[in-house]
Amino acid sequence: GAGVSQSPSNKVTEKGKDVELRCDPISGHTALYWYRQSLGQGLEFLIYFQGNSAPDKSGLPSDRFSAERTGGSVSTLTIQRTQQEDSAVYLCASSPAGAGELFFGEGSRLTVL
Amino acid sequence: AQRVTQPEKLLSVFKGAPVELKCNYSYSGSPELFWYVQYSRQRLQLLLRHISRESIKGFTADLNKGETSFHLKKPFAQEEDSAMYYCALRGFGNEKLTFGTGTRLTIIP
Repeated sequence: GAGVSQSPSNKVTEKGKDVELRCDPISGHTALYWYRQSLGQGLEFLIYFQGNSAPDKSGLPSDRFSAERTGGSVSTLTIQRTQQEDSAVYLCASSPAGAGELFFGEGSRLTVL
Repeated sequence: AQRVTQPEKLLSVFKGAPVELKCNYSYSGSPELFWYVQYSRQRLQLLLRHISRESIKGFTADLNKGETSFHLKKPFAQEEDSAMYYCALRGFGNEKLTFGTGTRLTIIP
């Protein structure tokens, strides 16, 4: 079966523009995570969805960042008014409920000029 | 709060020599600890988890609650072990996984 799919794989944008990053989790996985991977910063937790529960948004760095998950499947991470410090690889992962192991996508590399 | 510390950003080891990647954690309850690995041009993937108590690709890691550590070890390094390694923690009853900053391991032929 297919793994976690993310698009676009690369995105170059100008400072101040909005961007949307998409994640298709593994079918049947109820948990979905977004992380940001930056040089020297490791993997920074952004947001977590589990089934129909309210998402854990505790890692979102500012109100310019938001995410939604429609129908318990596809998720979109939106960054408004992008800044240069938003440049990073954005990783999505999914997990069967309670399993602990996360299955990662290949990431979306965002470059803000 | 849960925190994971990997003190070494870079580690170089000669092929055949022992490897130890350090991981310390901070968590008030009972944690689950993991090691994830990212090989060049591949996705981040699970290497091992402490509750399995198994050896994967020759690597082992023991949870030491007294020292709050979960160091990753391998007795004889191989060139294919070169990768980025992340230690991660999940708190009891919480599915959020907290990662360390990672250690880039390079095996010198």
